[in-house]
Amino acid sequence: ETGVTQTPRHLVMGMTNKKSLKCEQHLGHNAMYWYKQSAKKPLELMFVYNFKEQTENNSVPSRFSPECPNSSHLFLHLHTLQPEDSALYLCASSQDVVAGYGEQFFGPGTRLTVL
Amino acid sequence: TQLLEQSPQFLSIQEGENLTVYCNSSSVFSSLQWYRQEPGEGPVLLVTVVTGGEVKKLKRLTFQFGDARKDSSLHITAAQPGDTGLYLCAGALSQGAQKLVFGQGTRLTINP
Repeated sequence: ETGVTQTPRHLVMGMTNKKSLKCEQHLGHNAMYWYKQSAKKPLELMFVYNFKEQTENNSVPSRFSPECPNSSHLFLHLHTLQPEDSALYLCASSQDVVAGYGEQFFGPGTRLTVL
Repeated sequence: TQLLEQSPQFLSIQEGENLTVYCNSSSVFSSLQWYRQEPGEGPVLLVTVVTGGEVKKLKRLTFQFGDARKDSSLHITAAQPGDTGLYLCAGALSQGAQKLVFGQGTRLTINP
């Protein structure tokens, strides 16, 4: 148990569906991250939020829409996805993007399958 | 271009053997972390190294940061089946860097 929870753990959706992934951290951290992990690529950073403000968008397609209502919660809204978007989506948090050595604590991930 | 190169990418050995995994780069990192990820789970932080030449031990795991802070190694002594997993190194290019640079991972299998 790392203090970062993600729901759902598994999600199957059609290309026309709209769904959302949820992440919650119980560590008192101020920075939160979304990553994509697929079989053939290293961890790909998608978005970074620091104190609820988006500070990084790593050229992510607009069919992925993040939302960070507060420092403890992070959402990833999905719409009109493509089959190649099927992957493990990981949420992580850290104390602060400025302080510390960048140690990140990951949730268990959501395994997404797009049909 | 992969900033952090891990080798080997796959390793399958027998229980009780020793092994070393390498993480190399041409870039200097202010800190480097090692994570282990088990199937169906997220990566779990094992250690952070910040000083060139630093060595840290975690039971049977020994982590070393290169003198020039461009590379790192993970050595496992007397590997156990419970060591099986994906090992990831990740570096911060500067203190306070927003992003970690991840290696592609080493998938380790320890056979009983």
